[in-house]
Amino acid sequence: DSGVTQTPKHLITATGQRVTLRCSPRSGDLSVYWYQQSLDQGLQFLIQYYNGEERAKGNILERFSAQQFPDLHSELNLSSLELGDSALYFCASSPRQMNTEAFFGQGTRLTVV
Amino acid sequence: ELKVEQNPLFLSMQEGKNYTIYCNYSTTSDRLYWYRQDPGKSLESLFVLLSNGAVKQEGRLMASLDTKARLSTLHITAAVHDLSATYFCAVDAGSGTYKYIFGTGTRLKVLA
Repeated sequence: DSGVTQTPKHLITATGQRVTLRCSPRSGDLSVYWYQQSLDQGLQFLIQYYNGEERAKGNILERFSAQQFPDLHSELNLSSLELGDSALYFCASSPRQMNTEAFFGQGTRLTVV
Repeated sequence: ELKVEQNPLFLSMQEGKNYTIYCNYSTTSDRLYWYRQDPGKSLESLFVLLSNGAVKQEGRLMASLDTKARLSTLHITAAVHDLSATYFCAVDAGSGTYKYIFGTGTRLKVLA
């Protein structure tokens, strides 16, 4: 168990809908990352937050948004969902200012039908 | 933009054999990580390589980093079936963001 908690584990929703994925980082970690893993795109970096502020953006669609709250948990909001958004969404966290790996949650499997 | 490439993408090998997975990256970085992923599961950290010439070993796996060549290797010694998984390298994009860019992954299948 990495200490990173993601909910829900599975989500099935219809096209055009909006969903929210939640992530609680490891205790003491200030950085949160979101990744999308699909069969054809591999592991794509979406966005990073550090202590509540956005620090880096990757290939995140405009329909997607995220935030990190004062208690350091993070939410990834996906709207106007399309079939192609079906994927495994991972959250990871890492400590502040340390050369250490990111620790990954179990992921949320999103299926858009 | 930082690009990270792995090869091979797929590897099928017999138990007891040795093999090496390669990870090349396109820009300067001295922090590289190896992860393992079982099907449908999360990513498990294997190695953290933080400087040129770093070498880490755990069981049948050994990872090394050559920052001048922008190359890391993951060497498998005397493979066993339990090593079957997908292996990813990830490079820290730097600039203080600790953004990890992942390679394409190498799907390893060890045949009994």
